[in-house]
Amino acid sequence: GAVVSQHPSRVICKSGTSVKIECRSLDFQATTMFWYRQFPKKSLMLMATSNEGSKATYEQGVEKDKFLINHASLTLSTLTVTSAHPEDSSFYICSARDFRADNQPQHFGDGTRLSIL
Amino acid sequence: GQNIDQPTEMTATEGAIVQINCTYQTSGFNGLFWYQQHAGEAPTFLSYNVLDGLEEKGRFSSFLSRSKGYSYLLLKELQMKDSASYLCAVSDGDYKLSFGAGTTVTVRA
Repeated sequence: GAVVSQHPSRVICKSGTSVKIECRSLDFQATTMFWYRQFPKKSLMLMATSNEGSKATYEQGVEKDKFLINHASLTLSTLTVTSAHPEDSSFYICSARDFRADNQPQHFGDGTRLSIL
Repeated sequence: GQNIDQPTEMTATEGAIVQINCTYQTSGFNGLFWYQQHAGEAPTFLSYNVLDGLEEKGRFSSFLSRSKGYSYLLLKELQMKDSASYLCAVSDGDYKLSFGAGTTVTVRA
C-alpha cells in the first residue's frame, strides 16, 4: 500500500535554530502534500498545502516566513521551521495522497516531534 | 469553514461494541474519513465514505448520511489494542482534511 516517510522522527534543539523536516511518498507520486501540527491532546490542525512546482497555500494564522515549504518533486516536500522558539514545540505530521486516484485517503507520515529548549 | 463534532471520550469493555458518532457542517464535501491514532503516533487510515450507507471492514464499520451531516464508526469485538483516539475528518472539494477533536476510546478488561 501507499507509504509516506517522514524524517526526522524527533528533534531537540536550542531556541533560534532552524529545523528542516522531510516528507516523502515512497511508492506513489503526490502533486499535493499537507502539513499538520498537533499539540498535546488536541486534534490535527492543517498548516499548509504543499503544491509541487508552485507556492504552498497556508491556512489562516500560519506565518509563511516562519514555516517555509518546498515541494520540489512529486515525491518530496520539506517544511523548515525557521528560528524556532519554545512555542513552536509540537508534533508535526505530513500527509500525501496518490493524485492518480480519486477518493483515495491521505496517508500520514510517522510525524516529527519537535522540542525547542 | 468546517465544523466537526464528536464525543470526547468513550469507555467500553473488551469484546463489546462501541459506536462513535460524528456530525459535520461543511462548505464542501468530498468524503468522510475515520483515522485511528495511538498516543504519540501518527494517524492511520481506517475507513472512507463518500456515498450514503455502511462500509464494513472486518471489525470496523463506518456509516454516512450526507443529508444529515452524520457519520458513525462502529468498533466490534473490542480488543485492548483498540484503545486509542479516533478522528473523524471531512475532505472538502480540494481534498483538504478538517479533523474533529477526536474521541478517546478506552477498552477495559
